[in-house]
Amino acid sequence: AQTVTQSQPEMSVQEAETVTLSCTYDTSENNYYLFWYKQPPSRQMILVIRQEAYKQQNATENRFSVNFQKAAKSFSLKISDSQLGDTAMYFCALNSGYALNFGKGTSLLVTP
Amino acid sequence: ETGVTQSPTHLIKTRGQQVTLRCSSQSGHNTVSWYQQALGQGPQFIFQYYREEENGRGNFPPRFSGLQFPNYSSELNVNALELDDSALYLCASSREPGQGIYEQYFGPGTRLTVT
Repeated sequence: AQTVTQSQPEMSVQEAETVTLSCTYDTSENNYYLFWYKQPPSRQMILVIRQEAYKQQNATENRFSVNFQKAAKSFSLKISDSQLGDTAMYFCALNSGYALNFGKGTSLLVTP
Repeated sequence: ETGVTQSPTHLIKTRGQQVTLRCSSQSGHNTVSWYQQALGQGPQFIFQYYREEENGRGNFPPRFSGLQFPNYSSELNVNALELDDSALYLCASSREPGQGIYEQYFGPGTRLTVT
């Protein structure tokens, strides 16, 4: 069985600051992919960043980067220079077959 | 390039009724996955369709069924609705199935309320 755990139900950060969202997972597979999705109040789930488990190099997309620790089964998301538009639910997800397995999410509020 | 679309946006049904939700996949995508997102929870995988065949299924009862059409659009049918079926239903399409090599792109969802 695969599990994804997000231990921070809510977080808050001031505009222009940096915030890190945590995610741990469990899988017996060797080949898998990890994702961070953003879901703003509009409900549309948007892919933020993706990491292939076989790649040691951490993925980066503009202000978003991950810290992937395969041995520890940890996959955190760092948002730099936070913007008001980053306010949303953030979901960590794991895919080793055909389905995405999601965590319960972290609600991020960016304040002025 | 047209994104994933879903209809209707909102739906209210009575317990015991049946409902059909629709999804049009993104251009060039042949795989559609359906997810149920209860309030305050992460999405839960229902099933996936690839080239008109069910390609995998999550832990949902048989009253959740689906179809995929030759143009790769898809339907989710739920029979004998229960109050716990109230949720946001998300459709996602990808170029091919498998492992996350091909990213899943989500539609805006259908909010189903069962009274």
